[in-house]
Formats: sequence, structure tokens, C-alpha cells
Amino acid sequence: NAGVMQNPRHLVRRRGQEARLRCSPMKGHSHVYWYRQLPEEGLKFMVYLQKENIIDESGMPKERFSAEFPKEGPSILRIQQVVRGDSAAYFCASSLRGDEQYFGPGTRLTVT
Amino acid sequence: SQKIEQNSEALNIQEGKTATLTCNYTNYSPAYLQWYRQDPGRGPVFLLLIRENEKEKRKERLKVTFDTTLKQSLFHITASQPADSATYLCALEGSGGYQKVTFGTGTKLQVIP
Repeated sequence: NAGVMQNPRHLVRRRGQEARLRCSPMKGHSHVYWYRQLPEEGLKFMVYLQKENIIDESGMPKERFSAEFPKEGPSILRIQQVVRGDSAAYFCASSLRGDEQYFGPGTRLTVT
Repeated sequence: SQKIEQNSEALNIQEGKTATLTCNYTNYSPAYLQWYRQDPGRGPVFLLLIRENEKEKRKERLKVTFDTTLKQSLFHITASQPADSATYLCALEGSGGYQKVTFGTGTKLQVIP
């Protein structure tokens, strides 16, 4: 059973470009979470999704950020018009029941 | 306001000793509490979950206690090894329906050979 997969592992974008981060949850998991982490800082919750539904997006900035988890395919975190402050590690986690979370390896976004 | 507090200072411990990490919280009524391990450059790894009606849980060399009166969880690693060196995160979810999981900032453990 493959773990949570994220791609790309590293993403470099220029200011103003769009960043698309993908997350494939573990097989059978319908709960997906996105977190952001800056170096030497804790995990900051961004959004919680179940298939085709956003359950909680209270941690996500209202502008430029969006997330989806379609019926088929991976979950996508999209950041439009990236700025330097968006540079961080973005982790996706999936869960079977909404309790134990299994994390992917993360996508390291660098905005130049 | 809600707070999760973990020792921000690194914990250094001699190999073979028991490491004890603390997680304190305020203004939460968690249905359960979780502990995760994170190595540099990697995603967190789930270790243990303890529910509000459980006092203690064990898994191999790991032991977690959960005191809802003190609003504290202790995480013990017995017979610690250098490979246990990592950052350990506690995470809480509130009770009474969906509440998002909130992670503490973690405590860095260094086991010295």
C-alpha cells in the first residue's frame, strides 16, 4: 500500500506565476489535509477536504489560494500570483477516519 | 485563546535513558491527542493516539499519558537510542463534532551516544 504521494517535491516559481501542488492520498483515505511549514516553525493548518467538498478552509488565505479534491484524481493546492512569502514546505496528509493522519514527503516551494 | 505548548528548547539525553516530552494545552477539550515524529526535511510520522477516556497507551518503547484534569500529555521513550533523535509534535482535536487538528510546534530531541 503506497503512502501519501506529493509532487513535485521541489518547485521553483517566479513572483507572479502560479504554483500547483498535487497530493495523492493513501488508498481508501477520503480525508485530505494541507499544511504549510516554514523552517524551524510548526505546521500550520490550511485546509481540510473530503471528496469533492471543502470541510474547513479557515487556515487558508482568502486570496490567491485554493484547494480541491475531485472525485477522481489527486487533491490540488493552487497558489496564484505567488509572492516570496509563499516560499515554504507544503505538506499533505490523508486519513481514513479523520483521526490519524499520514503525511506525504512535502513540496518545497521556492519563489524567486 | 487556545494554546498548545511544547518545550521549545531542545532536549538532550544520554543513550539508554528515558526521554520525557511534555505537551500542555489550554482552552481545548480534546477528544484525543496524537504524537508524531518529524525528521528534518520530511513529513511528520504518526506514532500514537490516546483518547480522552484513556490514561495511558504504550507501543514498544513508547508510552503516552493523557491527563485531562492537568491538561497535559507526557510522551516517554524508554531505552532511548540515537535513532530516536528527531522533533516530536503533539496534536489535538477538539471534541463534539469536527474540529481541525492543531499541532504544537514540537520539541527537538537529541539522544547522545
